[in-house]
Amino acid sequence: ELKVEQNPLFLSMQEGKNYTIYCNYSTTSDRLYWYRQDPGKSLESLFVLLSNGAVKQEGRLMASLDTKARLSTLHITAAVHDLSATYFCAVANTGNQFYFGTGTSLTVIP
Amino acid sequence: KAGVTQTPRYLIKTRGQQVTLSCSPISGHRSVSWYQQTPGQGLQFLFEYFSETQRNKGNFPGRFSGRQFSNSRSEMNVSTLELGDSALYLCASSPTGTGTYEQYFGPGTRLTVT
Repeated sequence: ELKVEQNPLFLSMQEGKNYTIYCNYSTTSDRLYWYRQDPGKSLESLFVLLSNGAVKQEGRLMASLDTKARLSTLHITAAVHDLSATYFCAVANTGNQFYFGTGTSLTVIP
Repeated sequence: KAGVTQTPRYLIKTRGQQVTLSCSPISGHRSVSWYQQTPGQGLQFLFEYFSETQRNKGNFPGRFSGRQFSNSRSEMNVSTLELGDSALYLCASSPTGTGTYEQYFGPGTRLTVT
């Protein structure tokens, strides 16, 4: 079974700082997804990464994929309070079954 | 386009009862997946339906079942409810033919078993 690990599980950061969330997975996949979840809400799609070396950016968030290392990163630049949420990565197998990481709970402190 | 809708949004049931949750995918999406989210286990895949057929199944007991109708709407059923079934149940729909297989999530059904 495909395993997905995220770290850190909890992240408290000051506004204006930069940080990176890591997502490692256990078997080959070329499809990786990042989602955001606010408390009590559903999952919102952030990025879809489909090939080795893929990099996507939206505002203060940038995601990248290294399929050889089985690693994706979500980089946060100059964090603001609105980014406080839980972030999940998910990897899809060839059968289109999604495996989610444990999530990273991000709190941005003013 | 309307998003994924799920009904009911909240549900309280007693141990031993059964429950049926409903999911209407985004128009044109033929794949529907179900997930259980709990604080302890995180997001776990239940099953996926495509064109009325179960295409994938996660590691859940047979008390959890589902089906999909010809209009792509899906239902999941949990029989003989246990306290541990208390969770947020999320449905996601996915388009076919785009290559991304991106999943779009509904708001979820919060099930509480007492």
